[in-house]
Amino acid sequence: AQSVAQPEDQVNVAEGNPLTVKCTYSVSGNPYLFWYVQYPNRGLQFLLKYITGDNLVKGSYGFEAEFNKSQTSFHLKKPSALVSDSALYFCAVRDPSYSSASKIIFGSGTRLSIRP
Amino acid sequence: NAGVMQNPRHLVRRRGQEARLRCSPMKGHSHVYWYRQLPEEGLKFMVYLQKENIIDESGMPKERFSAEFPKEGPSILRIQQVVRGDSAAYFCASSPRRGGFTSGGFNEQFFGPGTRLTVL
Repeated sequence: AQSVAQPEDQVNVAEGNPLTVKCTYSVSGNPYLFWYVQYPNRGLQFLLKYITGDNLVKGSYGFEAEFNKSQTSFHLKKPSALVSDSALYFCAVRDPSYSSASKIIFGSGTRLSIRP
Repeated sequence: NAGVMQNPRHLVRRRGQEARLRCSPMKGHSHVYWYRQLPEEGLKFMVYLQKENIIDESGMPKERFSAEFPKEGPSILRIQQVVRGDSAAYFCASSPRRGGFTSGGFNEQFFGPGTRLTVL
């Protein structure tokens, strides 16, 4: 069964420092991977996706993620954090071999806190 | 182009009452998905609907929950006889095609702001 794990409930980073939010996945085939961000009292916003091709994916707001097949990881990164990046981040995975094309599995979320 | 709309944004119900959550997809989108986010947990898929059809309801609880997406009007997630455990944020997403994918690429799901249901 497909699954996704975000091992850290909270990540704290000083403004200007690089940040990493971790995500590992488990699927039976080649995964489709996503990152979403949720600001307080808001819905989810799409950040970036990996379907195929270059392992380094660039997304919105200066974020990027690296697909690592051997480690089954898709960590979210940003070279220099901003206070405004403070939010809840969700990693998600879809197994393209799954019979229902619709279902995407979300991780439990990681709360990113950037201190000034 | 307005995004996915959900209403109400906040809904308070007493145990045993009914809750109706509405979702209007983005213009041109005919596929709707409902997710539930329990406190301190991630999103969990509930149901996937196309106009007048339920495509995948494997994430829906067997009792008290139902969903529809009529030919005209918004999609409705209905919870009968609510219990305290139903308190959660319910998110709706829409996509223009089945599963949010096209044959030549990918269209991600667009999410609404959510409805926060509180059961007293």
